[in-house]
Amino acid sequence: GENVEQHPSTLSVQEGDSAVIKCTYSDSASNYFPWYKQELGKRPQLIIDIRSNVGEKKDQRIAVTLNKTAKHFSLHITETQPEDSAVYFCAASMGGGADGLTFGKGTHLIIQP
Amino acid sequence: DAGITQSPRHKVTETGTPVTLRCHQTENHRYMYWYRQDPGHGLRLIHYSYGVKDTDKGEVSDGYSVSRSKTEDFLLTLESATSSQTSVYFCAISEYRGDTEAFFGQGTRLTVV
Repeated sequence: GENVEQHPSTLSVQEGDSAVIKCTYSDSASNYFPWYKQELGKRPQLIIDIRSNVGEKKDQRIAVTLNKTAKHFSLHITETQPEDSAVYFCAASMGGGADGLTFGKGTHLIIQP
Repeated sequence: DAGITQSPRHKVTETGTPVTLRCHQTENHRYMYWYRQDPGHGLRLIHYSYGVKDTDKGEVSDGYSVSRSKTEDFLLTLESATSSQTSVYFCAISEYRGDTEAFFGQGTRLTVV
């Protein structure tokens, strides 16, 4: 089955700086890669996603890049703000006809004032 | 937010007792999922449903069963609760297959003592 590795587990950046979170996946059949943000005690919420036929996608301060050959994708947050502090999860669709998502273990992003 | 309601939100139960968690959606989405979230593990798929009476196992299905008798309801049953099933359980829905965006419920915190 699919395996998703996520790094780093904790990331601390100064407010206004950029943050990058990286994930790798194992199943070349995966074709959908969402990113979720989860604040303490809340549900995961989708912030951006990318499909395997696209190399990069942007939404204001957030961007995701995908390298299908290397099987890795990354989340980039620019001009970080205090409200960006949360746990971020990457995920990959399960290939081979199975359904659902395989998640990374999460990155705790801390924005230092 | 998508119309997803989980009940109960919190539950404490004793080892060996059966427990049923409910997920109710008002979006008429075909696909529904149960995930569990544990520290250091991210979210892991337990079971999913691709239609009324159509369900399949996920990554961590042992000790769990599901049922979907109506489009809007997806039930997760712990047949005989164990302490290792203490977790936060999230229901998710998506309009199409798992390679499309999924929306999560608020979660159910289950403690097995």
